Amino acid sequence: GQSLEQPSEVTAVEGAIVQINCTYQTSGFYGLSWYQQHDGGAPTFLSYNALDGLEETGRFSSFLSRSDSYGYLLLQELQMKDSASYFCAVRDRGQNFVFGPGTRLSVLP
Amino acid sequence: ETGVTQSPTHLIKTRGQQVTLRCSSQSGHNTVSWYQQALGQGPQFIFQYYREEENGRGNFPPRFSGLQFPNYSSELNVNALELDDSALYLCASSSRQGPGELFFGEGSRLTVL
Repeated sequence: GQSLEQPSEVTAVEGAIVQINCTYQTSGFYGLSWYQQHDGGAPTFLSYNALDGLEETGRFSSFLSRSDSYGYLLLQELQMKDSASYFCAVRDRGQNFVFGPGTRLSVLP
Repeated sequence: ETGVTQSPTHLIKTRGQQVTLRCSSQSGHNTVSWYQQALGQGPQFIFQYYREEENGRGNFPPRFSGLQFPNYSSELNVNALELDDSALYLCASSSRQGPGELFFGEGSRLTVL
């Protein structure tokens, strides 16, 4: 079977750093993506890791360890607008993605 | 560059009815995927179309079917609607040559009564 695990909720204050972890078990693996979704909105792409290591995009970074079937999303200098749900998604073949259950991030003033 | 658009945005149906949801993919994208997202959960993969053919399917029954047209737009059809089909249906387009990024539309929220 295929499964991804993420913490259900994370709370942090403005300006802080938060890490959202994702572990996965899938039949195939081509890469790990992260998406942000605000309430009532569409998921929007944040990052994609096909190889082990850290990818940095502005305030957001994503890490992948294929040997550990593990990745994380690191959000720095948190802002109120970062309050949203964050999903990891494994690309298991072609352009097929299996999404995790999501982590709801609340940023407090 | 035109983004992914979906229609209708909201609709209400009753059990047993049929529904068709539509999606126009982003310019230059030849692959369309459909996802079902229940409230508070992650998107669940329904199926994907590439060059007008189904190219992968998730764990959904045959009453979920789809089409892709030559202009890469797509339809999702659901027959014999059940209460559990109530969800947000998301369409995502992508390029086969892309790095694995999906571009999502705003979704169609279906309520089955």
